[in-house]
Amino acid sequence: KNQVEQSPQSLIILEGKNCTLQCNYTVSPFSNLRWYKQDTGRGPVSLTIMTFSENTKSNGRYTATLDADTKQSSLHITASQLSDSASYICVVSPSWGGGYNKLIFGAGTRLAVHP
Amino acid sequence: GAGVSQSPRYKVAKRGQDVALRCDPISGHVSLFWYQQALGQGPEFLTYFQNEAQLDKSGLPSDRFFAERPEGSVSTLKIQRTQQEDSAVYLCASSPGLAGGRWGELFFGEGSRLTVL
Repeated sequence: KNQVEQSPQSLIILEGKNCTLQCNYTVSPFSNLRWYKQDTGRGPVSLTIMTFSENTKSNGRYTATLDADTKQSSLHITASQLSDSASYICVVSPSWGGGYNKLIFGAGTRLAVHP
Repeated sequence: GAGVSQSPRYKVAKRGQDVALRCDPISGHVSLFWYQQALGQGPEFLTYFQNEAQLDKSGLPSDRFFAERPEGSVSTLKIQRTQQEDSAVYLCASSPGLAGGRWGELFFGEGSRLTVL
């Protein structure tokens, strides 16, 4: 079973609309949870990083929330733009193992924004 | 350069050939990671370097995979006797800190897409 699961697998929305992507994880304990944006054919780019004690973090039109009790995170995109079309990946950094950042990635949600 | 640079961007190999993928991290970054990303999936950890030391290679799928970073900067991921299941995008990421970006940022390259025929 994947330690980081995302839903939906894919999503189509109209330009200007809002959307929310979900992430459920079982990694425990963890240092931080991140959301990355990955454009087709490019490497992932960090959007937000939240420690286990943070509930929310914003980056422009992107707002991530974290509920460590239920092990859930969400990424809310406001007033979507065509350039938001990408895969959005939830990533958890476990506290255990080596003292370095052995990230665990979800499979991503593929978002398509249509005009 | 300003970012993490990977080459080649695309590589097509016949089954059984050896391939070498190069990663040039951001100058001065201590930590370097290799990830494998299958189509439609998230990246999966392969190996981690702290300077020239390979501290973790637990994600390498078989002994056909070998990575090195001899001078603590450029890294090479080598795959011997390639198989079709090796087809994937290989991502390199670097981070300035010793903790490998545990509390900070990982910077990814654009990846090398390997197709094994």
